[in-house]
Formats: sequence, C-alpha cells, structure tokens
Amino acid sequence: EPEVTQTPSHQVTQMGQEVILRCVPISNHLYFYWYRQILGQKVEFLVSFYNNEISEKSEIFDDQFSVERPDGSNFTLKIRSTKLEDSAMYFCASSELQGVYETQYFGPGTRLLVL
Amino acid sequence: KQEVTQIPAALSVPEGENLVLNCSFTDSAIYNLQWFRQDPGKGLTSLLLIQSSQREQTSGRLNASLDKSSGRSTLYIAASQPGDSATYLCAVKSIRGETSGSRLTFGEGTQLTVNP
Repeated sequence: EPEVTQTPSHQVTQMGQEVILRCVPISNHLYFYWYRQILGQKVEFLVSFYNNEISEKSEIFDDQFSVERPDGSNFTLKIRSTKLEDSAMYFCASSELQGVYETQYFGPGTRLLVL
Repeated sequence: KQEVTQIPAALSVPEGENLVLNCSFTDSAIYNLQWFRQDPGKGLTSLLLIQSSQREQTSGRLNASLDKSSGRSTLYIAASQPGDSATYLCAVKSIRGETSGSRLTFGEGTQLTVNP
C-alpha cells in the first residue's frame, strides 16, 4: 500500500541553524501539507501546497519557514534559523482530492530537537 | 475559529470491553471529520473518514458517527484488544468562506489503554 515517507526520522540541530525536512508524498497525490506536534500538545497545521504554490498557511508559518517541491517526488520544509521552540514532531501529509471526499495520509514524522 | 475537543483525555479498559470516544467541534460548517490512531512516537494512521452528509462509517470493529448539527462525533470500538492501545485523534476539515479550506483541526486526543 502506498505511503508517505519522511527523512530524517530524527534531527538534532543547534539554535540558529537551518534545517530541511524531506517528504515523499504518495505518488498520485496533488495536495501536500506540513503539520507539527509539540510534545504533549495538539497536532497543528502549518501549510498546504498545491500546483507549486502555497494554498493556505497558518499563523505559525512565518518568514522562517518555506516549502518547496524541488522535483516530481519530494516535498520539503525548510526552517531558516531554528529556535528552541521549533522542537517538535513534524508530519508531512498528502491527499489526492480536496473537500468532502478528502482523506489526508500522514507520514511517520521527523522529530526535530533544537538545542 | 474551529476548536476541537476530545473527552476523555485518557481511558483504561479491560480487554473485550466495548468503548466510546468522544469528539466535539465548535463550527458545524465542515467538509468531513477524520479519526486517526497515533502510537507513541509514531505518525498518524487514518482510521475512518466521515463526510459531512454521512451519519456513520464502519471499518471492522470501529464505528464512527457524526452529528454535524450538534458538533459531535463518536468512535465506537467493539471488543477491545490490547493492540488497540494508542492515542486516538479526531480532526475536522472546515469550510472556510468560498474556498476549500485545506487544514485539518485536531483535538488533543484520547489515550486508550486496553489491559489484558
């Protein structure tokens, strides 16, 4: 069964460093998402991406964040200058459709620790 | 702004028991509601999707209901097993004005423990 994959599974970085989190969505999916979950808190939406542009972003997704689909398979989240509060599990998701019939499929996550 | 709440926060039951998890949301203008399972330190596994026009969906021992007008959904698990132990999350996809909203809004989850 097709699944969303993410790399790396864990990343430790120093505050102020740039990190790139990578995702390979399900191959025939057109809509891509990033969410995050700070330890002990709710899963929060960051951004959605369709047709090579951001379709929606949350208030969390500030200028430090960017997303890109550099080729036909990868979808990346870049954090330019990490802060301690960026430590979280980051989930990528994808869906084939939007609206009523949409099911979002999630990857296993990347656990980011900022020191 | 959509808010999603799940009760109880934690539930411990003996194996074989039937149980119900609850999810409520504040804005009934939704496209659908999705139930997920999350194992410790792992990703989210989609269990069931209920479209806004549906009242319930079933998959194996799982049955999810939706009462959109009252802003409530329940996940019923029949004949629970130790392997069902996990955190269960509900998430709604809201209708936002004239656009198809992208985001899922999650509840905080119910941590289920099924004891052998």
